[in-house]
Amino acid sequence: TQLLEQSPQFLSIQEGENLTVYCNSSSVFSSLQWYRQEPGEGPVLLVTVVTGGEVKKLKRLTFQFGDARKDSSLHITAAQPGDTGLYLCAGAPFNDYKLSFGAGTTVTVRA
Amino acid sequence: EADIYQTPRYLVIGTGKKITLECSQTMGHDKMYWYQQDPGMELHLIHYSYGVNSTEKGDLSSESTVSRIRTEHFPLTLESARPSHTSQYLCASRADRGPFIGELFFGEGSRLTVL
Repeated sequence: TQLLEQSPQFLSIQEGENLTVYCNSSSVFSSLQWYRQEPGEGPVLLVTVVTGGEVKKLKRLTFQFGDARKDSSLHITAAQPGDTGLYLCAGAPFNDYKLSFGAGTTVTVRA
Repeated sequence: EADIYQTPRYLVIGTGKKITLECSQTMGHDKMYWYQQDPGMELHLIHYSYGVNSTEKGDLSSESTVSRIRTEHFPLTLESARPSHTSQYLCASRADRGPFIGELFFGEGSRLTVL
């Protein structure tokens, strides 16, 4: 059983459309991170959210951390082909340095 | 750009061979990790280290071993590779500052295929 469930598993959209990726858990996290991984590369950090209810915006990407610190979402506005990749969420329990990762959402943005 | 390097990037070997996957970082991070990544599955932590001469097994049982003799170097060894070891292996390091978890810097990965 995965600690972090990501949905959907795959998402294919046209350039200019919006998309939302979800990350859910029954566990409470002190912080949650989102990474993007491109083929042949390691994951790269996009954002860390640390406060329940927090919303962070990075250009066209909006990240939200649930009030109960159990879930998060990533919303991309006007997606571009450069947004294509595997999006991974990772949660850090309290008093533990080990991150738990979700299985990821593969996003494909068609030109 | 992350200063963490993995070699080899790709390795195809026969069953029973001994292999070592190298991982080096130049950021002076104390914490280093090895993850196993398979398509459609979450990254599984197989080993971690919080400093020199400190190594622990992760959540996923693995027949591999690791060592941490120097801060910058965290190699992973398989004494006798089997087809079930075929996977992508990702090395990462992190420096935590303050009360919250820091950024994980990943290498580009080592894709191992055991025939």
